[in-house]
Order: sequence, then C-alpha cells, then structure tokens
Amino acid sequence: GQSLEQPSEVTAVEGAIVQINCTYQTSGFYGLSWYQQHDGGAPTFLSYNGLDGLEETGRFSSFLSRSDSYGYLLLQELQMKDSASYFCAVSSRAGTALIFGKGTTLSVSS
Amino acid sequence: ETGVTQTPRHLVMGMTNKKSLKCEQHLGHNAMYWYKQSAKKPLELMFVYNFKEQTENNSVPSRFSPECPNSSHLFLHLHTLQPEDSALYLCASSQADRTYGYTFGSGTRLTVV
Repeated sequence: GQSLEQPSEVTAVEGAIVQINCTYQTSGFYGLSWYQQHDGGAPTFLSYNGLDGLEETGRFSSFLSRSDSYGYLLLQELQMKDSASYFCAVSSRAGTALIFGKGTTLSVSS
Repeated sequence: ETGVTQTPRHLVMGMTNKKSLKCEQHLGHNAMYWYKQSAKKPLELMFVYNFKEQTENNSVPSRFSPECPNSSHLFLHLHTLQPEDSALYLCASSQADRTYGYTFGSGTRLTVV
C-alpha cells in the first residue's frame, strides 16, 4: 500500500519558525509536493522536491531525503495568515496523480 | 479565482436525485482530476483524465460517473448517493508531465440527505 504520515496539528506564534515533517511509504517515488489550504479554500501548490536537498521559496523551504523516505516543509517568520492546513503529496512516477497525506493544521497565534 | 472553476459551490441532494458537478479550466492543462475530501481523511483520488482519456479510476463506486468532453471541462455525474458521500469534491488540473503542480478549484460542498 501507500501511506504518508504527517502530524495532525502544529501550533506556533507569530515570527517563529515551524517544521512540518512528512514520511512516506509508496510503491514508487518520483517527487514530494506541498500544498496549503485555508479554511473553505482551494489547496494551492507551494513547492516540489524531485531531488534530495533543500528548495527555498521566500519564507517557505522544503527538504527531501530519498534515502530516508522523508521530507519537511519549513515556514519562517510566521504570520497569522499562515494558519492553514498543509498537505504533503507524492507522485509515484512521472505523470501519475498525486497521493496526499492527511494534512497538518497549523495555528499561528499572536 | 484560481484558474479552475467549479460549480456549484454547494449542493444538497436527496439519495434518489441525479445531479452533476462541473469543472472548467482555461490554463492550457491537459490532465484533470477529481478528488474527494472528507474530514480527518486525506484527499482521496477518484478519477484521472489525460488528454480527455480516463487513465485512472481509483475503485470508485459506480454511482459516481465522470465525463471529460474536452481537455478544458470535466464533469462528475452523481446518482443514488449515500449520506457517507457527503464531502468536498475538488477538481484539479495540471500538465500531464508535471503532475506535481496541480491547480485546484474551490470545490463543491456536497451534502446528501
């Protein structure tokens, strides 16, 4: 089977740094994606790692270790608007649909 | 507005009704997807279309019937649904060779009574 594990909830304060981990067990692996979804909104694409290492996009970074079947999303300088659900997703091979984790609800307080 | 438009936004239907969900994208994408999102569960892949051809049916009950008349439009026809089918139904699109970067619609919130 295929499974992705991520924490269900994370809390932090404004200005802090938070890391959301994702471990996966899939029959194949092509890459790891991250999506953000605000309450009542559409999931939006944040980042993609096809190779090991760190990808940085502004305040957000994402990391992948293929050998450990592990990745994380790092959010820096947290803002209230970052309160949302964050999903990791795996594509098992090129051109196949994504399999999603259950999501991590991030709550940022002042 | 995300580039993928879903209608209706909300739908309440009885178990004996027939209804359809619509998804439209004008991003030039050639792959489209239906996902089901229920509370406390991961997004569940339902159907995949690449270049208008269905390439995946993820063991979805036959009371859900997809249709993709062209690469810009995707429908989900619903009939004789069950209360457990109540969920948010999300449509997404991507380039067929870049499936890591979906654009999602805002979804249809379906309630089956």
